[in-house]
Amino acid sequence: DGGITQSPKYLFRKEGQNVTLSCEQNLNHDAMYWYRQDPGQGLRLIYYSQIVNDFQKGDIAEGYSVSREKKESFPLTVTSAQKNPTAFYLCASTNPGTGSGYGYTFGSGTRLTVV
Amino acid sequence: AQRVTQPEKLLSVFKGAPVELKCNYSYSGSPELFWYVQYSRQRLQLLLRHISRESIKGFTADLNKGETSFHLKKPFAQEEDSAMYYCALVETSGSRLTFGEGTQLTVNP
Repeated sequence: DGGITQSPKYLFRKEGQNVTLSCEQNLNHDAMYWYRQDPGQGLRLIYYSQIVNDFQKGDIAEGYSVSREKKESFPLTVTSAQKNPTAFYLCASTNPGTGSGYGYTFGSGTRLTVV
Repeated sequence: AQRVTQPEKLLSVFKGAPVELKCNYSYSGSPELFWYVQYSRQRLQLLLRHISRESIKGFTADLNKGETSFHLKKPFAQEEDSAMYYCALVETSGSRLTFGEGTQLTVNP
Protein backbone atom coordinates (compact mmCIF):
# COMPACT_ATOMS: atom_id res chain seq x y z
CA ASP A 1 0.00 0.00 0.00
CA GLY A 2 1.87 3.06 -1.24
CA GLY A 3 1.78 6.40 0.44
CA ILE A 4 3.41 9.00 2.63
CA THR A 5 3.83 8.54 6.35
CA GLN A 6 4.39 11.45 8.66
CA SER A 7 5.32 10.99 12.28
CA PRO A 8 4.55 11.81 14.95
CA LYS A 9 0.96 12.95 14.54
CA TYR A 10 1.25 15.33 17.50
CA LEU A 11 4.44 16.86 18.83
CA PHE A 12 5.04 19.14 21.75
CA ARG A 13 8.21 21.15 22.04
CA LYS A 14 9.61 23.38 24.71
CA GLU A 15 10.87 26.77 23.67
CA GLY A 16 14.52 26.67 22.71
CA GLN A 17 14.46 23.05 21.56
CA ASN A 18 14.97 21.67 18.10
CA VAL A 19 12.56 18.99 16.91
CA THR A 20 12.57 16.79 13.83
CA LEU A 21 9.46 15.78 11.91
CA SER A 22 9.64 12.59 9.91
CA CYS A 23 8.35 12.08 6.36
CA GLU A 24 8.73 8.77 4.54
CA GLN A 25 7.28 7.75 1.17
CA ASN A 26 7.24 4.45 -0.69
CA LEU A 27 5.86 5.84 -3.92
CA ASN A 28 9.27 6.07 -5.57
CA HIS A 29 8.67 9.79 -6.03
CA ASP A 30 11.67 11.95 -6.85
CA ALA A 31 10.40 15.21 -5.40
CA MET A 32 9.37 15.89 -1.81
CA TYR A 33 8.03 19.01 -0.12
CA TRP A 34 7.31 20.47 3.28
CA TYR A 35 4.44 22.87 3.77
CA ARG A 36 3.17 24.71 6.78
CA GLN A 37 -0.60 25.10 7.11
CA ASP A 38 -1.99 27.97 9.17
CA PRO A 39 -5.64 29.05 9.32
CA GLY A 40 -6.38 31.75 6.77
CA GLN A 41 -2.93 31.53 5.21
CA GLY A 42 -3.21 28.38 3.16
CA LEU A 43 -0.19 26.20 2.64
CA ARG A 44 3.21 27.85 2.54
CA LEU A 45 6.25 26.08 1.16
CA ILE A 46 9.13 25.62 3.59
CA TYR A 47 11.63 23.46 1.69
CA TYR A 48 11.58 21.12 -1.25
CA SER A 49 13.84 18.55 -2.82
CA GLN A 50 13.71 17.35 -6.39
CA ILE A 51 16.46 14.76 -6.14
CA VAL A 52 18.48 13.02 -3.46
CA ASN A 53 21.19 15.12 -1.81
CA ASP A 54 19.69 18.34 -3.14
CA PHE A 55 17.09 20.70 -1.72
CA GLN A 56 15.93 24.29 -2.10
CA LYS A 57 14.42 26.87 0.21
CA GLY A 58 10.78 27.64 -0.20
CA ASP A 59 9.00 30.82 0.79
CA ILE A 60 9.38 30.51 4.58
CA ALA A 61 12.60 28.54 5.16
CA GLU A 62 13.96 30.65 8.01
CA GLY A 63 14.22 28.63 11.21
CA TYR A 64 13.92 25.28 9.44
CA SER A 65 16.38 22.78 8.03
CA VAL A 66 16.06 19.60 5.97
CA SER A 67 18.11 16.75 4.57
CA ARG A 68 17.55 14.35 1.70
CA GLU A 69 20.01 11.50 2.12
CA LYS A 70 17.58 8.89 0.84
CA LYS A 71 14.96 9.08 -1.87
CA GLU A 72 12.20 7.93 0.44
CA SER A 73 12.95 10.21 3.38
CA PHE A 74 12.80 13.99 3.83
CA PRO A 75 12.95 14.96 7.52
CA LEU A 76 12.26 18.52 8.63
CA THR A 77 13.95 20.06 11.65
CA VAL A 78 12.24 22.98 13.34
CA THR A 79 14.99 24.87 15.08
CA SER A 80 14.86 27.19 18.04
CA ALA A 81 15.36 30.05 15.57
CA GLN A 82 11.84 29.59 14.21
CA LYS A 83 9.88 32.33 15.94
CA ASN A 84 6.40 30.92 15.59
CA PRO A 85 6.67 27.16 15.14
CA THR A 86 3.23 26.15 16.38
CA ALA A 87 1.47 24.95 13.22
CA PHE A 88 0.31 21.99 11.19
CA TYR A 89 3.05 20.61 8.95
CA LEU A 90 2.36 18.71 5.75
CA CYS A 91 4.74 16.65 3.69
CA ALA A 92 4.06 15.87 0.03
CA SER A 93 5.68 14.12 -2.88
CA THR A 94 5.35 13.91 -6.63
CA ASN A 95 7.16 12.64 -9.67
CA PRO A 96 7.91 15.63 -11.87
CA GLY A 97 9.16 13.35 -14.62
CA THR A 98 5.68 11.93 -15.12
CA GLY A 99 4.17 15.36 -15.44
CA SER A 100 3.09 17.58 -12.63
CA GLY A 101 -0.46 17.11 -13.86
CA TYR A 102 -0.66 14.04 -11.67
CA GLY A 103 -0.55 16.25 -8.64
CA TYR A 104 0.94 15.74 -5.24
CA THR A 105 0.38 13.01 -2.67
CA PHE A 106 0.13 14.38 0.86
CA GLY A 107 0.85 12.91 4.24
CA SER A 108 -1.59 13.13 7.12
CA GLY A 109 0.40 15.88 8.82
CA THR A 110 2.11 16.62 12.11
CA ARG A 111 0.70 19.15 14.54
CA LEU A 112 3.51 20.87 16.40
CA THR A 113 2.79 22.83 19.55
CA VAL A 114 5.34 24.84 21.45
CA VAL A 115 4.73 24.83 25.19
CA ALA B 1 6.46 35.62 -8.69
CA GLN B 2 3.50 33.33 -8.98
CA ARG B 3 0.56 33.94 -6.71
CA VAL B 4 -2.83 32.35 -6.11
CA THR B 5 -5.70 34.21 -4.51
CA GLN B 6 -8.92 32.81 -3.12
CA PRO B 7 -10.96 35.82 -2.07
CA GLU B 8 -13.47 33.96 0.08
CA LYS B 9 -12.25 32.40 3.30
CA LEU B 10 -15.71 31.10 4.14
CA LEU B 11 -18.58 30.14 1.85
CA SER B 12 -21.91 28.80 2.99
CA VAL B 13 -24.69 27.48 0.74
CA PHE B 14 -27.76 25.33 1.10
CA LYS B 15 -27.98 21.80 -0.20
CA GLY B 16 -29.04 21.76 -3.84
CA ALA B 17 -27.88 25.31 -4.51
CA PRO B 18 -25.13 26.09 -7.03
CA VAL B 19 -21.72 26.81 -5.64
CA GLU B 20 -18.72 28.63 -7.07
CA LEU B 21 -15.37 28.89 -5.32
CA LYS B 22 -13.25 31.62 -6.79
CA CYS B 23 -9.59 31.39 -7.65
CA ASN B 24 -7.41 33.96 -9.38
CA TYR B 25 -3.77 33.61 -10.19
CA SER B 26 -0.82 35.63 -11.38
CA TYR B 27 1.93 33.95 -13.33
CA SER B 28 3.93 35.16 -16.27
CA GLY B 29 4.10 31.81 -18.04
CA SER B 30 1.56 29.14 -18.89
CA PRO B 31 0.50 27.58 -15.60
CA GLU B 32 -0.95 24.27 -14.60
CA LEU B 33 -3.79 24.68 -12.13
CA PHE B 34 -5.33 22.35 -9.62
CA TRP B 35 -8.03 22.18 -7.00
CA TYR B 36 -7.26 20.28 -3.81
CA VAL B 37 -9.79 19.35 -1.13
CA GLN B 38 -9.41 18.51 2.54
CA TYR B 39 -12.39 16.86 4.19
CA SER B 40 -12.63 16.86 7.95
CA ARG B 41 -9.94 14.63 9.49
CA GLN B 42 -8.72 13.48 6.09
CA ARG B 43 -5.62 14.16 4.05
CA LEU B 44 -5.39 16.88 1.52
CA GLN B 45 -6.15 15.29 -1.85
CA LEU B 46 -6.29 16.27 -5.48
CA LEU B 47 -9.81 17.08 -6.69
CA LEU B 48 -9.18 18.04 -10.28
CA ARG B 49 -6.63 19.54 -12.65
CA HIS B 50 -7.26 21.85 -15.54
CA ILE B 51 -5.27 19.93 -18.12
CA SER B 52 -7.58 16.94 -17.96
CA ARG B 53 -10.80 19.00 -18.20
CA GLU B 54 -12.54 16.45 -16.02
CA SER B 55 -15.52 16.54 -13.73
CA ILE B 56 -14.99 15.03 -10.32
CA LYS B 57 -17.84 14.60 -7.83
CA GLY B 58 -19.87 16.98 -9.99
CA PHE B 59 -17.25 19.74 -9.77
CA THR B 60 -15.78 21.41 -12.82
CA ALA B 61 -13.26 24.21 -13.26
CA ASP B 62 -12.38 26.11 -16.40
CA LEU B 63 -9.15 27.95 -16.89
CA ASN B 64 -9.81 31.48 -18.12
CA LYS B 65 -6.48 32.90 -19.19
CA GLY B 66 -7.97 36.28 -20.03
CA GLU B 67 -9.28 36.74 -16.51
CA THR B 68 -6.49 34.62 -14.96
CA SER B 69 -9.09 32.63 -13.09
CA PHE B 70 -9.81 28.99 -12.34
CA HIS B 71 -13.10 29.01 -10.48
CA LEU B 72 -14.52 25.75 -9.14
CA LYS B 73 -18.21 25.15 -9.77
CA LYS B 74 -20.89 22.66 -8.94
CA PRO B 75 -24.51 23.08 -10.00
CA PHE B 76 -26.09 21.33 -7.00
CA ALA B 77 -24.14 21.28 -3.75
CA GLN B 78 -24.35 18.31 -1.40
CA GLU B 79 -23.71 18.20 2.34
CA GLU B 80 -20.73 15.91 1.79
CA ASP B 81 -19.08 18.67 -0.23
CA SER B 82 -18.40 20.56 3.00
CA ALA B 83 -14.63 20.84 3.20
CA MET B 84 -11.66 23.13 2.80
CA TYR B 85 -10.80 23.77 -0.83
CA TYR B 86 -7.43 25.00 -2.07
CA CYS B 87 -6.59 26.29 -5.51
CA ALA B 88 -2.98 25.66 -6.54
CA LEU B 89 -0.64 26.49 -9.39
CA VAL B 90 2.53 24.83 -10.61
CA GLU B 91 4.91 26.49 -12.99
CA THR B 92 5.35 24.43 -16.12
CA SER B 93 9.13 24.45 -15.79
CA GLY B 94 9.16 22.98 -12.32
CA SER B 95 7.16 21.08 -9.79
CA ARG B 96 6.62 23.32 -6.78
CA LEU B 97 3.00 24.05 -6.03
CA THR B 98 1.83 27.46 -4.87
CA PHE B 99 -1.42 27.35 -2.92
CA GLY B 100 -4.12 29.88 -2.31
CA GLU B 101 -5.35 30.72 1.17
CA GLY B 102 -8.18 28.22 1.01
CA THR B 103 -11.98 28.46 1.13
CA GLN B 104 -13.97 26.64 3.78
CA LEU B 105 -17.19 25.49 2.14
CA THR B 106 -20.16 24.60 4.29
CA VAL B 107 -23.23 23.06 2.71
CA ASN B 108 -26.23 23.37 4.99
CA PRO B 109 -29.15 20.90 4.94
